[in-house]
This record gives sequence, C-alpha cells and structure tokens, in this order.
Amino acid sequence: RKEVEQDPGPFNVPEGATVAFNCTYSNSASQSFFWYRQDCRKEPKLLMSVYSSGNEDGRFTAQLNRASQYISLLIRDSKLSDSATYLCVVNRMDSSYKLIFGSGTRLLVRP
Amino acid sequence: DVKVTQSSRYLVKRTGEKVFLECVQDMDHENMFWYRQDPGLGLRLIYFSYDVKMKEKGDIPEGYSVSREKKERFSLILESASTNQTSMYLCASSPFGTGLNEQFFGPGTRLTVL
Repeated sequence: RKEVEQDPGPFNVPEGATVAFNCTYSNSASQSFFWYRQDCRKEPKLLMSVYSSGNEDGRFTAQLNRASQYISLLIRDSKLSDSATYLCVVNRMDSSYKLIFGSGTRLLVRP
Repeated sequence: DVKVTQSSRYLVKRTGEKVFLECVQDMDHENMFWYRQDPGLGLRLIYFSYDVKMKEKGDIPEGYSVSREKKERFSLILESASTNQTSMYLCASSPFGTGLNEQFFGPGTRLTVL
C-alpha cells in the first residue's frame, strides 16, 4: 500500500463548478499535511498547508480527518487557471522536514 | 524572491556515462533535496542534505551519489547512467526546522539516457 494515495483523475469540470479531491495516508502518526500544485511541465509549488481545524484561502478549502486518515481539497468557482495536478503531501515520521508526495490528481477546467 | 536553479532543463546522455546535475539555491536554506518524478509514482526522494558535507539516503539512492561542498549548491551524480534513470529530476530546498517548512523546487531537469 502506498503511503499517500490519490485518485489520479482527470477530473474534468466546467468553469464555475465546485470540485473536491481526497487523499488518504497510511501513517496515523503523521503530523504535517500540505497540498502542492504542479502545472504541466513545471515544478510543484505549495498551495496550502492543512491544519487540524481546516483552513480556507479564497476559493480553496482544505480539511483534515485524522480518524479516517484523509485530507481533502475543495475548489469553489473553478477557473480555467486552476487546471493543474494537485499533490497531496505528508511529512515523514523519521524526519519532520522530509515529505512524502502523492502521485497527484489531475484537474481540467473547461470553458 | 526565492529561487532554486538547476543547471539544465533537458539532458541527453548515453548508457554508462557519468552525469552531473547541479542545483543552486539563493535562500540560505540548510536543507536540500533531490527527487525524481515518474508518471504514476509521484516524487521519490533520492538523497537529502541538512548541512554542508552532510547527506542522507532517501528512498531510491541506488545508482546515485551526491555532493554538498557549499551551502547553496547540491549536486546529484549518476555514476554510470542507465536507461532506467531516464526521468524528471527535481531539486528542492527548505529552511532548517521542524514540521511545516515549505519546500521550494527548481524547474527540473528532464534526463534521457539512451
């Protein structure tokens, strides 16, 4: 079983739609959680950290469910520019500053 | 503005060649990382360095070595390139500390080994 699992997609949605991705992680002792965004042929960049209380940044909302060991990302009012691959990232237990990356969920927003 | 640069965007090498990939960061970060990214497998950690001359193996170190002689520079070396090392190589850096530090990535080097 992979340490971090994501649905690869693609999720194909119209502009203005709301879309949600989930990600599951295997190590219940993980402490830090992130969503990174990776555009086609570009490097990953931090989108947002995920806190126990959840957090929101504009149209993006991240939630953590420790009991079920999953992280979610909700995107409201999708824009064409949201088309990208979204990587779920969890810290390693042997080193808090080493990260485990999921293989990503691809989002396509169509006009 | 934070910046991580990598020496080449695209590289083509032959089987058996020694390959050097260079990474430089200008943020005075202590931690530097080398990953490879392959479709369906995500980013996999090859090596990690938390200080000058210090290194630690990641998940897939076989066939690779690293060098960190200066804080800003972290080199990945393929001692004898093989076709299964054809991949996208990404360098990243982060400041020293626990937990929530963001990793900043370079633009990547797409290596093809023929």
